Amino acid sequence: AQSVTQPDIHITVSEGASLELRCNYSYGATPYLFWYVQSPGQGLQLLLKYFSGDTLVQGIKGFEAEFKRSQSSFNLRKPSVHWSDAAEYFCAVGAGTALIFGKGTTLSVSS
Amino acid sequence: GAVVSQHPSWVICKSGTSVKIECRSLDFQATTMFWYRQFPKQSLMLMATSNEGSKATYEQGVEKDKFLINHASLTLSTLTVTSAHPEDSSFYICSARPWGSSMNTEAFFGQGTRLTVV
Repeated sequence: AQSVTQPDIHITVSEGASLELRCNYSYGATPYLFWYVQSPGQGLQLLLKYFSGDTLVQGIKGFEAEFKRSQSSFNLRKPSVHWSDAAEYFCAVGAGTALIFGKGTTLSVSS
Repeated sequence: GAVVSQHPSWVICKSGTSVKIECRSLDFQATTMFWYRQFPKQSLMLMATSNEGSKATYEQGVEKDKFLINHASLTLSTLTVTSAHPEDSSFYICSARPWGSSMNTEAFFGQGTRLTVV
């Protein structure tokens, strides 16, 4: 069965520091992978997605993610975090037509 | 990008009453819409897949008689929580994928509806 694991429930990063959010997936075929961000009480905004090709994917707001098939991972990175990046981050895998989400990682940014 | 509008953004209702939540794709047609439920500090759990002109497909454990889904047009799907109880209080989010698209096309999400049953 398809599943997504985000090992880190909560991460705190200093403003200006680098960030990496981990995501591992379980899927039998070639996965479609996504990262979404959610602000409190809001819907989801797509940061980036991977379907095929270059394993390093660039997204919005300076985010990038690297697909590593051998590790079944799709980690999200940002070289320098801004206070406005504080939010909930969800990794998702496409399963059929719907998305299966991980439990999310809450990012806090300290000054 | 495409816009999905969800209405209302929040609703408070009395226990035993029914509540309808609307999900509209504003600038594209969507043959398939998805309804998710999100508990506080939890992930999004897929409740059902709504197909235009046909019955919705519910995930295991979701009561179809309690969560009625109607997808009467290519731009509108509704979720009705019938005989709501406090345990139905949650954040409900819909998403839609443009007609004719496949999994490598972005799914667009509504802003969510906060339901509180008192």
